[in-house]
Amino acid sequence: QVQLQESGPGLVKPSETLSLTCTVSGGSVNTGSYFWSWIRQSPGKGLQWIGYIYYSGSTYYNPSLKSRFTILVDTAKNQFSLKVNSVTAADTAVYYCARESPTAVSFDYWGQGILVTVSS
Amino acid sequence: QSALTQPPSASGSPGQSVTISCTGTSSDVGGYNYVSWYQQHPGKAPKLMIYEVSTRPSGVPDRFSGSKSGNTASLTVSGLQAEDEADYYCSSFAGSNNFVFGTGTKVTVL
Repeated sequence: QVQLQESGPGLVKPSETLSLTCTVSGGSVNTGSYFWSWIRQSPGKGLQWIGYIYYSGSTYYNPSLKSRFTILVDTAKNQFSLKVNSVTAADTAVYYCARESPTAVSFDYWGQGILVTVSS
Repeated sequence: QSALTQPPSASGSPGQSVTISCTGTSSDVGGYNYVSWYQQHPGKAPKLMIYEVSTRPSGVPDRFSGSKSGNTASLTVSGLQAEDEADYYCSSFAGSNNFVFGTGTKVTVL
């Protein structure tokens, strides 16, 4: 059974960089079978797809988001990560990592989510 | 890109059916048979309930069914049970390695 677990700081100051890591267990990120995604949910709001990464390092981002987001993969640690530069209060959200199955074109496994608050 | 449009709320009594709509455009819902539905209980991560418009993952009860017509997809929950009370989100592939989610629908079991 694949499990994903987000980790990182719960509080980030405005204008700083938000950094989150997703650790995958029960499966490998070093496989061409899946994409590894980040999705966020602002308090009381809906879901927003941020982007995903392939094991090769190829990345794809939501075109409606500005280029403040970077997703990286570390196959040695079986992790992938998200960095968001120059955060504002609008980046306050629960951040989820998830696995995307290209054969089903859907997000079949999710982490529990981590709340990140942007505040001074 | 704009979020897919869902009704804010839907409700039904135990044993009844409820249908949730998800309206997009020809660039997402109408252009691909890659609509998925997610159930989210309060404080929990979303759970995949339907993919490719109408396919249920293993373990999802057959009370959940999906369909699509034109730019609108639908999720029907038949034989409502108390545990079905949750938020439901649709999602669609939007081309060029891009995804869009719906605005979400809160389902209440009366």
